[in-house]
Amino acid sequence: EAQVTQNPRYLITVTGKKLTVTCSQNMNHEYMSWYRQDPGLGLRQIYYSMNVEVTDKGDVPEGYKVSRKEKRNFPLILESPSPNQTSLYFCASSSWSSYNEQFFGPGTRLTVL
Amino acid sequence: AQTVTQSQPEMSVQEAETVTLSCTYDTSESNYYLFWYKQPPSRQMILVIRQEAYKQQNATENRFSVNFQKAAKSFSLKISDSQLGDTAMYFCAFMKYQGAQKLVFGQGTRLTINP
Repeated sequence: EAQVTQNPRYLITVTGKKLTVTCSQNMNHEYMSWYRQDPGLGLRQIYYSMNVEVTDKGDVPEGYKVSRKEKRNFPLILESPSPNQTSLYFCASSSWSSYNEQFFGPGTRLTVL
Repeated sequence: AQTVTQSQPEMSVQEAETVTLSCTYDTSESNYYLFWYKQPPSRQMILVIRQEAYKQQNATENRFSVNFQKAAKSFSLKISDSQLGDTAMYFCAFMKYQGAQKLVFGQGTRLTINP
């Protein structure tokens, strides 16, 4: 089954404790990105990757890091989480040949205390 | 920079009624894509319908259709014969035709279908 997976689905952590949210896709997509969803703001792009070893900032990159060492994986790293990073996070992937349709993961609900 | 605005934070209709969700956007691009995504309580993002800006014909997917007015930069979603399963948050989104496949989302409209 073609899908984007994220782990964990739910996470409660404390300020300053480094964490990683994993994202993996099995569709051989070149493009992957991370979004955060906040009430009244919709979804905003954090980082994106157009292929292996190619990443760039989105609209709200502060406090986040990413890496793309393999085509299928695109982890999101919060080195020192703060309460303002409490949010719902989505990973998405797409292919240049898929008419720009992005496939979303199930979301990760992160709470930083 | 592109912006997308959904001016209706919440809407509520009776089952079987028709409902229209509004979306306006701002861009200087001439070629782009517009999307409507549905987010049910499960939080999964589900693509409802897509419109290419160079196509004059409005997109239709079963009970879902759009009214795309390029000059007015308007992209509304019409849901006909609404069903209880249509209850969800709906997001309008914009993507440039070329370059990074970045979606720019509106704020969302929470739609409730009442029995």
